[in-house]
Amino acid sequence: GENVEQHPSTLSVQEGDSAVIKCTYSDSASNYFPWYKQELGKRPQLIIDIRSNVGEKKDQRIAVTLNKTAKHFSLHITETQPEDSAVYFCAARVTGGGNKLTFGTGTQLKVEL
Amino acid sequence: NAGVMQNPRHLVRRRGQEARLRCSPMKGHSHVYWYRQLPEEGLKFMVYLQKENIIDESGMPKERFSAEFPKEGPSILRIQQVVRGDSAAYFCASSPSQGQYNEQFFGPGTRLTVL
Repeated sequence: GENVEQHPSTLSVQEGDSAVIKCTYSDSASNYFPWYKQELGKRPQLIIDIRSNVGEKKDQRIAVTLNKTAKHFSLHITETQPEDSAVYFCAARVTGGGNKLTFGTGTQLKVEL
Repeated sequence: NAGVMQNPRHLVRRRGQEARLRCSPMKGHSHVYWYRQLPEEGLKFMVYLQKENIIDESGMPKERFSAEFPKEGPSILRIQQVVRGDSAAYFCASSPSQGQYNEQFFGPGTRLTVL
């Protein structure tokens, strides 16, 4: 089955700096890659997603890139703010594999003042 | 439009008891997914259901765990004879259809503690 690895596990940046979180996946049949943000004790919330027929997608300060050949995708947050502090999870969905998402292990992002 | 609802939010059980977790999907959503999150870990898929059907239960332990999504009422994840290792946050998600790009909306989770 699909396996998703995520790095780093923790990331600390200064307010205003950029943050990059990277994920790799194993199943070349994966075609949908969402990113979720989870604040402490709260539900995961979708912040951006990308389909396999797209190489990059941007939404304000958040962008995601996908390299199908290398089977990796990354989340980029620019001009980080304290409210960006949370755990971020990448995920992958395999075509024809039902609708289940396979999640990475998460990145604890801390934005320091 | 209310989001995905889960109850209870917190559940404490002693070893050997049963735990019942409920999930009401968003209005208009007919697909429900259950995920388990162990402390400081990612979410692990357990089971995917549509009304009255289990579509994929590949992530659910074969023993003690069962799930249903009846024609009427919420989806229920049932854990029999709980053990300490079952302590985790259990999240339910729903989506409107089987479209491969459909977003899954998560509920607030049920935090199960087994004493």
